[in-house]
Amino acid sequence: IAGITQAPTSQILAAGRRMTLRCTQDMRHNAMYWYRQDLGLGLRLIHYSNTAGTTGKGEVPDGYSVSRANTDDFPLTLASAVPSQTSVYFCASSEAESSTDTQYFGPGTRLTVL
Amino acid sequence: GQNIDQPTEMTATEGAIVQINCTYQTSGFNGLFWYQQHAGEAPTFLSYNVLDGLEEKGRFSSFLSRSKGYSYLLLKELQMKDSASYLCAVMDSNYQLIWGAGTKLIIKP
Repeated sequence: IAGITQAPTSQILAAGRRMTLRCTQDMRHNAMYWYRQDLGLGLRLIHYSNTAGTTGKGEVPDGYSVSRANTDDFPLTLASAVPSQTSVYFCASSEAESSTDTQYFGPGTRLTVL
Repeated sequence: GQNIDQPTEMTATEGAIVQINCTYQTSGFNGLFWYQQHAGEAPTFLSYNVLDGLEEKGRFSSFLSRSKGYSYLLLKELQMKDSASYLCAVMDSNYQLIWGAGTKLIIKP
């Protein structure tokens, strides 16, 4: 079944450790996104990529980095995790860049930083 | 600044009708989306409005008034499986989605 997969499903991490959240889509979508979702707040965009080889900063990029080496994969890295990065992270994709195409979401990664 | 407002929580009875409101102030407007999110799951797309008026899709309808910065999602013949959070999101002039915090809908038998 086509869609977006994320790994791991959940993770408990010590502060200061490095962590990479994985995201893979098989829909050949050009655009991909990383959001975090915190209780009482709307989804907030961390980074995005309009097409393979390009990335951009969203609303809350500090402490995170991304890469887009190919169409399918869009990993999110926390270089040195802090407790404020405890959140649920969703990866999403849409068919075209800078368009009103629907975004489709992966199942999420629940991250706890202690 | 950009802002999306929707009620935090609503309660309704199985079989009834409920209207979830969303007001917005954004820099530019390229459409408004409604998503459904069950607890512990990913958001899933429900509707998209870019022109004023009502869009009907089965038991769900979505309305938009651009001049008022207002939308609502109407759910008819409520079922227990409709218990979820409903997220309102506006696409701004940069084609980025600005999200509301979501409305948790509780359905009672």
